[in-house]
Amino acid sequence: GENVEQHPSTLSVQEGDSAVIKCTYSDSASNYFPWYKQELGKGPQLIIDIRSNVGEKKDQRIAVTLNKTAKHFSLHITETQPEDSAVYFCAATDAYSGAGSYQLTFGKGTKLSVIP
Amino acid sequence: NAGVTQTPKFQVLKTGQSMTLQCAQDMNHNSMYWYRQDPGMGLRLIYYSASEGTTDKGEVPNGYNVSRLNKREFSLRLESAAPSQTSVYFCASSENIGLAGAKNIQYFGAGTRLSVL
Repeated sequence: GENVEQHPSTLSVQEGDSAVIKCTYSDSASNYFPWYKQELGKGPQLIIDIRSNVGEKKDQRIAVTLNKTAKHFSLHITETQPEDSAVYFCAATDAYSGAGSYQLTFGKGTKLSVIP
Repeated sequence: NAGVTQTPKFQVLKTGQSMTLQCAQDMNHNSMYWYRQDPGMGLRLIYYSASEGTTDKGEVPNGYNVSRLNKREFSLRLESAAPSQTSVYFCASSENIGLAGAKNIQYFGAGTRLSVL
């Protein structure tokens, strides 16, 4: 089955700085990689996703990059703000293969703290 | 539009007691999921239901049972609760897990915080 490793487990940055969270996956069949943000006391919420036929995707201050050859993908948050403080999860699945389990395998999470 | 609703929000059980966690979605999604979240472990899939009438085991199914009551509702039952089942439980739903190309974005509820003493 798929195995997703996520680093770092905790990350502290000064407000306005950039934050980068990295994930690696093991199953070459995985082709869809979402990122979820979980605020305290709430359920995870999708913030950005990328499919394997795309190398990079941006949405305002957040971006995700994917390197299929190396089997790793990263979340980049620029100009961080205190409201970015949360736990971030990466995930992988073979959602678009036409076969397979389609289950999401999550990384263990990164707690991001943005210091004002 | 409430999305995914879980009840109860908090629960304390004694070892050996049983309970059912309820989940309902109003997005007309075909697929639903139950996860548990433990510190340092991320989210682990317990059971999922690809469509009404079907259920399948995930990564950590032992000690749990599920029922897909109808398209909207997916319940998780603990028959004899154990302290190891102390966790936060999340229900999620997505458009259609089995259809290639379909949007497989999972939408999560707010969670049920369960303590087993």
